[in-house]
Amino acid sequence: DAGVIQSPRHEVTEMGQEVTLRCKPISGHNSLFWYRQTMMRGLELLIYFNNNVPIDDSGMPEDRFSAKMPNASFSTLKIQPSEPRDSAVYFCASSHSLYSGSGDEQFFGPGTRLTVL
Amino acid sequence: LAKTTQPISMDSYEGQEVNITCSHNNIATNDYITWYQQFPSQGPRFIIQGYKTKVTNEVASLFIPADRKSSTLSLPRVSLSDTAVYYCLVIGDNQGGKLIFGQGTELSVKP
Repeated sequence: DAGVIQSPRHEVTEMGQEVTLRCKPISGHNSLFWYRQTMMRGLELLIYFNNNVPIDDSGMPEDRFSAKMPNASFSTLKIQPSEPRDSAVYFCASSHSLYSGSGDEQFFGPGTRLTVL
Repeated sequence: LAKTTQPISMDSYEGQEVNITCSHNNIATNDYITWYQQFPSQGPRFIIQGYKTKVTNEVASLFIPADRKSSTLSLPRVSLSDTAVYYCLVIGDNQGGKLIFGQGTELSVKP
């Protein structure tokens, strides 16, 4: 299995531009998670989906952020307009199910390093 | 939500056993304790999970006392490649499947 695939791996953009990050979860996984990691705030959960349906988006910082999962094999995280404070590494993770009592292991992608100038 | 507390950093030398302790005083009855490892420039990776007593796998051991208010991740004979950040997490009903990452413990293994 190729694992969780994220693209692009690096993105440099200017303030005000739209940024779209992409994620392909592991085949057969029903849950997908988007995280953001910065030195100041650590690793934060932004939003997660179960069976393509958003379950909790309380971690999304503001309306400039949106996420979609049109099918089981693809998700996007969009920032419009982007700001310098959005610079971070964005991780996508997937798991078999949202919660199976003990909690399913989450498999993380390599991340997208976003720099907003 | 169960809050976890662990040391910010630890130093060790190759070949030593490293024990990282995490406290989770308000862990709920149905919560599990899970540890993830993150290498620089990579996403976190699951290491081990347990509910009580001791769990061992090919990577580490997890010791959980009877009161479950703390847990200790034990890494036997560390090598330079074990240099990473180690996160202790509590997962259960209250988290709804979410992983809430704290600051983690930055382990530095020296030659």
